[in-house]
Amino acid sequence: DAKTTQPNSMESNEEEPVHLPCNHSTISGTDYIHWYRQLPSQGPEYVIHGLTSNVNNRMASLAIAEDRKSSTLILHRATLRDAAVYYCILAYNNNDMRFGAGTRLTVKP
Amino acid sequence: EAEVAQSPRYKITEKSQAVAFWCDPISGHATLYWYRQILGQGPELLVQFQDESVVDDSQLPKDRFSAERLKGVDSTLKIQPAELGDSAMYLCASSPSWGVPEAFFGQGTRLTVV
Repeated sequence: DAKTTQPNSMESNEEEPVHLPCNHSTISGTDYIHWYRQLPSQGPEYVIHGLTSNVNNRMASLAIAEDRKSSTLILHRATLRDAAVYYCILAYNNNDMRFGAGTRLTVKP
Repeated sequence: EAEVAQSPRYKITEKSQAVAFWCDPISGHATLYWYRQILGQGPELLVQFQDESVVDDSQLPKDRFSAERLKGVDSTLKIQPAELGDSAMYLCASSPSWGVPEAFFGQGTRLTVV
């Protein structure tokens, strides 16, 4: 199985950008890069996904390295409500989505 | 807003007893997942359905766990007999179809085995 490596935890100040890294050196050509987040006491929530090109949506941006061996989730202005565990997942479309331990993001006021 | 419904929200059971969880996915969603999440860890995929068929159950402990989605709509996950190590959050998720990357998760069922 393709694996991802994320830092255990990160801190950010409110209203500042946050860059959450993910390494996936064994990614295959058909793997999409998905990001989910899990707020306290809730189920995971979809954030964004991409294959090769950078992606933007209302929640975040996803920057994918040219060799696809790493990616970065960018929250442009962190708010207190963005404090969560962020998961980077490799999967072919929505098939066999396996979560790792994720990165716990703390946002300081 | 449509959401994935799970019940019960909380369940306490004695070890060696049987326990079942129910999930009603968002209407029209063909793909359904069951995950187990132990406190402090990421969700672990137990089983994935496409309509009524199992796509992947390689991580499901089949000696005690079973899952079904008989009419391709709602689903039941059963544990028999429950063990202390089964204490966890059980999450259900659904996705419109194979190939659509966004999955929607329910609130989960918190199981405590005593």
